[in-house]
Amino acid sequence: NAGVTQTPKFQVLKTGQSMTLQCAQDMNHEYMSWYRQDPGMGLRLIHYSVGAGITDQGEVPNGYNVSRSTTEDFPLRLLSAAPSQTSVYFCASSYTPEYGYTFGSGTRLTVV
Amino acid sequence: DAKTTQPPSMDCAEGRAANLPCNHSTISGNEYVYWYRQIHSQGPQYIIHGLKNNETNEMASLIITEDRKSSTLILPHATLRDTAVYYCIVRAGNTNAGKSTFGDGTTLTVKP
Repeated sequence: NAGVTQTPKFQVLKTGQSMTLQCAQDMNHEYMSWYRQDPGMGLRLIHYSVGAGITDQGEVPNGYNVSRSTTEDFPLRLLSAAPSQTSVYFCASSYTPEYGYTFGSGTRLTVV
Repeated sequence: DAKTTQPPSMDCAEGRAANLPCNHSTISGNEYVYWYRQIHSQGPQYIIHGLKNNETNEMASLIITEDRKSSTLILPHATLRDTAVYYCIVRAGNTNAGKSTFGDGTTLTVKP
């Protein structure tokens, strides 16, 4: 049981490049979310999903896309990286609405 | 989801109880109170949650006022390893549960 796995752990992108941050969970959780955390700040919700095929926007969705084709995977795509997207990205999942989230260890992204 | 208010920082002596307050005066009837903590730059860790009754687990106790407008997380015997940022969030226990917003939290410093 690996929990929530995020890859890569570190990434440096050039402005304008695109990439996909991977998130996978092996706990059969329906609910998954992506957050970003800027230095010294709290977490801000980017996108979330309440099940395969169902996604919705959070607080700061601009510049990011998501899809949820399987229960296990919830990738986050950066369409055209900007320096303002330099941040730590956390993926989280939950079995039911009442359960607490399990978080991954994060992806540290730098856009130069 | 209801907004929460927490003090930005608190200190606690090692071995003493740490009492972390949270105000959520606009909480709705179907919203749960959740507490998480984040140690340094790790992913947040779920601690405890409740709807209206007080809850206790191996990590902490959660006291929710009768009107549900505020709550207190209690770490009964704080250790240096409890130094972290503690987040209080409220979240609906339904299909919108994926949409959880974190604020800036309380930085708890446990001192020897």
